[in-house]
Amino acid sequence: EIVMTQSPGTLSVSPGERATLSCRASRGVSSDLAWYQQKPGQAPRLLIYGASTRATGIPPRFSGTGSGTEFTLTISSLQSEDFAVYFCQQYHNWPPLTFGPGTKVEIK
Amino acid sequence: VQLVQSGTEVKRPGSSVKVSCKASGDIFDDYTYHWVRQTPGQGLEWLGRFIPITDATNYAQSLQDRVTITADKSSNTVYMQLNSLRFEDTTIYYCARGPLGADNWLDPWGPGTLVTVSS
Repeated sequence: EIVMTQSPGTLSVSPGERATLSCRASRGVSSDLAWYQQKPGQAPRLLIYGASTRATGIPPRFSGTGSGTEFTLTISSLQSEDFAVYFCQQYHNWPPLTFGPGTKVEIK
Repeated sequence: VQLVQSGTEVKRPGSSVKVSCKASGDIFDDYTYHWVRQTPGQGLEWLGRFIPITDATNYAQSLQDRVTITADKSSNTVYMQLNSLRFEDTTIYYCARGPLGADNWLDPWGPGTLVTVSS
């Protein structure tokens, strides 16, 4: 089973600033990686798939990079609605699909 | 596209629960349907998936002895049944849609169903 880790656990950022979130896979997953956003009381929402392709309706301030074992989600200029928890998920080697533990982006 | 899940369940330890997920707004057979649960301790845990076009299923090994995913294609509804319930199965269960083929990103997700196991 591929284990996903994320850092940092919590990221404190001021509105308008850039946020950089990291995700690491225990083995290479090529570009088979997705990012999700989850707000309190809501289900996760797909942001990025294929490591760098934005899902439908996702604004361009969200971007994903990386391949293999190291991945990054960047939010270029944080808006108030972006404060949430972000998860990464690999779909290269499964079952099972596996998720990272999440990074909470909070207001500084 | 919308996934509508059944409501909150309260069950006794050792019993079973069956949660439904009705898909609307798109061709049911063009996608796969997954179940994921979320706990404070384990985070997001994938349980398994159903492929309507082949009636195939895949399960997480950790739960495959207790979980069964089925579907009623006439009503575009997928079901997740979890048997031999334990206190630690108390959590929110989500259904989510994935594309056909090898890629398994999940979009959209249902709103979640809270399952509480209590004596």
